[in-house]
Amino acid sequence: EGQLVESGGALVQPGGSLRLSCRGSGFTFLSFDFHWVRQVAGKDLEWVSAIGTTGDTYYSDAVKGRFTVSRENAKDSMYLQMSNLRPGDTGVYYCAKGEYYGSGSHYYLWGQGTLVTVSS
Amino acid sequence: EIVLTQSPGTLSLSPGERATLSCSPSQTVNNKYLAWYQQKPGQAPRLLIYDVSRRATGIPDRFSGGGSGTDFTLTISSVEPEDFGVYFCQYYGVSVTFGPGTKVEMK
Repeated sequence: EGQLVESGGALVQPGGSLRLSCRGSGFTFLSFDFHWVRQVAGKDLEWVSAIGTTGDTYYSDAVKGRFTVSRENAKDSMYLQMSNLRPGDTGVYYCAKGEYYGSGSHYYLWGQGTLVTVSS
Repeated sequence: EIVLTQSPGTLSLSPGERATLSCSPSQTVNNKYLAWYQQKPGQAPRLLIYDVSRRATGIPDRFSGGGSGTDFTLTISSVEPEDFGVYFCQYYGVSVTFGPGTKVEMK
């Protein structure tokens, strides 16, 4: 079944940068795609980004050009480098294990979430 | 981009009642890529149904999903106290999008 644990959330000023991490355990990390999904205003779920097993990457229009997703299979980890942050990026960021390959998937396994707050 | 609309916004029910939640894509969905999640405060979403009607592992059979095109439903045949929370539908074709959620609360 496994587990995902996010870290790196913080309070950051508009225009700032932040790197989120997601570490997996209990499954073969390199065999799966992984996604970032955020929850804004405590309610709306919004897909952010995904990375495939071969390193192919996908982004929503809202973050394209500002966020970069990467993975390090040797450390069972995925990262989200966020730059030029805006107040609208505020939310809880979840990592999730993709059950289908590619940019579209449902998710059995989610992390507990990490809070990103963009405010001056 | 497909936009998902969920109705009703809030459903007030007593334990034992039947719940019917609706999810309507803005365009006809010609594949099976629709899922339902339950979320409780402070927790990540929990997968209930995927591929329109397939129940996720460990999900009780009182939960069922169905529909096609622009009309999908999640049905809880007899609501239990632990079923109260917010329910989201998700489309995961080429891209991923979520509906705004239906809150199921105790009457």
